[in-house]
Amino acid sequence: DSGVTQTPKHLITATGQRVTLRCSPRSGDLSVYWYQQSLDQGLQFLIQYYNGEERAKGNILERFSAQQFPDLHSELNLSSLELGDSALYFCASSAKAGLLNTGELFFGEGSRLTVL
Amino acid sequence: QKEVEQDPGPLSVPEGAIVSLNCTYSNSAFQYFMWYRQYSRKGPELLMYTYSSGNKEDGRFTAQVDKSSKYISLFIRDSQPSDSATYLCAGTKTSYDKVIFGPGTSLSVIP
Repeated sequence: DSGVTQTPKHLITATGQRVTLRCSPRSGDLSVYWYQQSLDQGLQFLIQYYNGEERAKGNILERFSAQQFPDLHSELNLSSLELGDSALYFCASSAKAGLLNTGELFFGEGSRLTVL
Repeated sequence: QKEVEQDPGPLSVPEGAIVSLNCTYSNSAFQYFMWYRQYSRKGPELLMYTYSSGNKEDGRFTAQVDKSSKYISLFIRDSQPSDSATYLCAGTKTSYDKVIFGPGTSLSVIP
């Protein structure tokens, strides 16, 4: 158990809909990362938050948005869903405050999104 | 060009074999390098972590980084069927930056 919790584990929805994926990082971790994993694209970096602030952005579509709340949990919002958005969405956390951090990421079990 | 590249495989070896997994990267600013193992339908888990160039050994696993050639390797000795998984290499500039992953190499160890 990595200590990172993601909900829901599975989600089936229709094209055009909007969904929210939730992530609770490991206790004390300040950084939250979101990744998308599909068969043909591998693990693609979407966005990173550090202590509530957006720190880095990857190949995240404009239809997607995320935020990190004061309690450090994060949500990834996916809107106007298309068939191609079907994938596993992983959240990872790292960077405990006050410690020398090595950049190691701890991943949740993922949220599997199926768009029909 | 992707920042981290690796042969997707699949790679199939007999139990007990030595396995060599390799990655190349293009971002010369990368300082931290990681190998993750991912079992089917699970989240990736950290296997090995190295800083800058050099070797690191942990049990049956050895990670090597050669920054001059931008080459990352993972060696698995005495491979076991339980090592069957997808292996992802990754790099990052600092411990607080985004981590970029390769596409992963699928490994099967046959009993």
